Amino acid sequence: SQQGEEDPQALSIQEGENATMNCSYKTSINNLQWYRQNSGRGLVHLILIRSNEREKHSGRLRVTLDTSKKSSSLLITASRAADTASYFCATDAITGGYNKLIFGAGTRLAVHP
Amino acid sequence: GAVVSQHPSRVICKSGTSVKIECRSLDFQATTMFWYRQFPKQSLMLMATSNEGSKATYEQGVEKDKFLINHASLTLSTLTVTSAHPEDSSFYICSASTTTNEKLFFGSGTQLSVL
Repeated sequence: SQQGEEDPQALSIQEGENATMNCSYKTSINNLQWYRQNSGRGLVHLILIRSNEREKHSGRLRVTLDTSKKSSSLLITASRAADTASYFCATDAITGGYNKLIFGAGTRLAVHP
Repeated sequence: GAVVSQHPSRVICKSGTSVKIECRSLDFQATTMFWYRQFPKQSLMLMATSNEGSKATYEQGVEKDKFLINHASLTLSTLTVTSAHPEDSSFYICSASTTTNEKLFFGSGTQLSVL
């Protein structure tokens, strides 16, 4: 079953604007990750934030994590048309001695020139 | 970064035939590989976890006799969709993790269309 839920489901913005996507999850985690998927392709890892971290930056990406609310947000600043993709959060679930990732429903981001 | 190669990228087959999808880690040893299924505009659903040299662990609701997984080496896992039916049409994606077992590296996916 899916652990994470994301909102919005779809987001349409103009180039240069910021895009914020939110993710909520249900159980305790060791870390939360964000991935990007271009249409019809595999996923690319963007950033990982651990449960003891509150904020992390990578280039134009900023991720926050609030474990008390079981939520995370991904902010893309100064968006570009090339940022158009689906973005997924994923949380780890330790089972059988190994980690597996459970993905949220995803946010489809469209950045218009 | 680590590279995962998935083949084929697209396959069209007749109902009743079997289809094999390969997932290879090209520059690292993948102790664990994961197989996901994705419907259009939806999230990834974990189907099974494949560990080298042992039986795959299937998620609830996934038919193990329908989706055969073999992880014969540290660089290769295969998913065989047996006796495929139109409802098996979907996008299948594999991923692999390194020994740290945190972030995943994904193949480019296989679009399966069963006629």
